[in-house]
Order: sequence, then C-alpha cells, then structure tokens
Amino acid sequence: ETGVTQSPTHLIKTRGQQVTLRCSSQSGHNTVSWYQQALGQGPQFIFQYYREEENGRGNFPPRFSGLQFPNYSSELNVNALELDDSALYLCASSSLAGGNEQFFGPGTRLTVL
Amino acid sequence: SQQGEEDPQALSIQEGENATMNCSYKTSINNLQWYRQNSGRGLVHLILIRSNEREKHSGRLRVTLDTSKKSSSLLITASRAADTASYFCATVSMKAGTALIFGKGTTLSVSS
Repeated sequence: ETGVTQSPTHLIKTRGQQVTLRCSSQSGHNTVSWYQQALGQGPQFIFQYYREEENGRGNFPPRFSGLQFPNYSSELNVNALELDDSALYLCASSSLAGGNEQFFGPGTRLTVL
Repeated sequence: SQQGEEDPQALSIQEGENATMNCSYKTSINNLQWYRQNSGRGLVHLILIRSNEREKHSGRLRVTLDTSKKSSSLLITASRAADTASYFCATVSMKAGTALIFGKGTTLSVSS
C-alpha cells in the first residue's frame, strides 16, 4: 500500500508569484484535504475534494484553488503569493467510509520572500 | 480559525512517566481525533473517539471524551524518548463534513 506523497519537499518563491503543490493520495482513497500550518500553530483547513468536486472550504481567499484528478491525485494552487503564505502545506487523503481518519503526507515547506 | 485549545502548550517529562494532554473545543462534534507530528513533518493519526464514546484505549494511549464539557484528554503511559513530538487534537464538526479542525497542539519532550 502506497502512502500519501507530496512534491516538492521545499519551495522558495517571491511575493506576487504563483505556486502549484502536488499530492498523490493513498491507494483506495477518494477524498483529499489540504491544510496550511504556520510555524508554531496547528494545521488550518483550506479545502477538501471528493471525487473531483470541492466538498468544503475553510476561511481562505479565492487565490487558493485546487484540483482533484480522476486518479484522486490533487493540486493546490496559490496565486499572488504573500509573505504570510509561508508555511508547511499538508495534504491528507481519506476514504469517506473510513471513519474520517485522515492520512497525511510529509508536507511541502513554502517560503515566500 | 482554531477549533479549540490544547493544554498545556508544552510538557517536559522523564522516560517512564505518564503524560497527560487536554483539549477543549467549541462546537458539537461527530468525532475527535488525536494526531502526532514529529519535527514539523506530516501528522500521524493516533486514535479516534466518537461523540457517543467516553473512553478509548490503544496500546499505551488512553483517550477520554466529555461532550458536556466539550473536552478530551490524551494519556500516554510509560513515556519513551521516541514519544517526543507535538500532539494535536482535531475535531470533525457535525456541520462541516469530514474536515478536521485542529487545536494549536502540545509539545511533549521526553528525556532519558
């Protein structure tokens, strides 16, 4: 069974640029969620995709957008990067039949200069 | 926004001692979960307790849930140096599907 993977591991961007982060779900999972974790804080829910449709969104502006593909892999896109977007971005996959337990990837560390 | 708070924010103990972390939350929940995070990496699911359960055990972990007080506790017995990590509680709201709402975490340090 393959776990959740994320790429890249680290990324450095400058303010105003755009970034795409990628996530491959665990085998058999049809739901993917994205979280932003600032230093010293708990993860904050960005949005969730279920079978390629957005299935819930947290308190993040529209410049945070996502996609889920037929193989259930996913992308997180952030436009017009701001300094406060510097954080660890975590992807988690789950099966709605699995009692809501989520399986997290190792994260992508984004630094915005 | 954060759902709740973990208490304490930081905890330092010796190997072999027990560690207790508490979590409070604000809204009605479907279930509450505890996760561990090592050194700013991905989170690992530890245990899930449903809103109609009061206590659950898994190995050296014991979780309690008091829905009337909107609080939970995680007890790690006979701590080991490898338990050093940040611990987060996360709730699944009855209104928000399966999204996890995390607290700010407790940083546990176990010294040998």
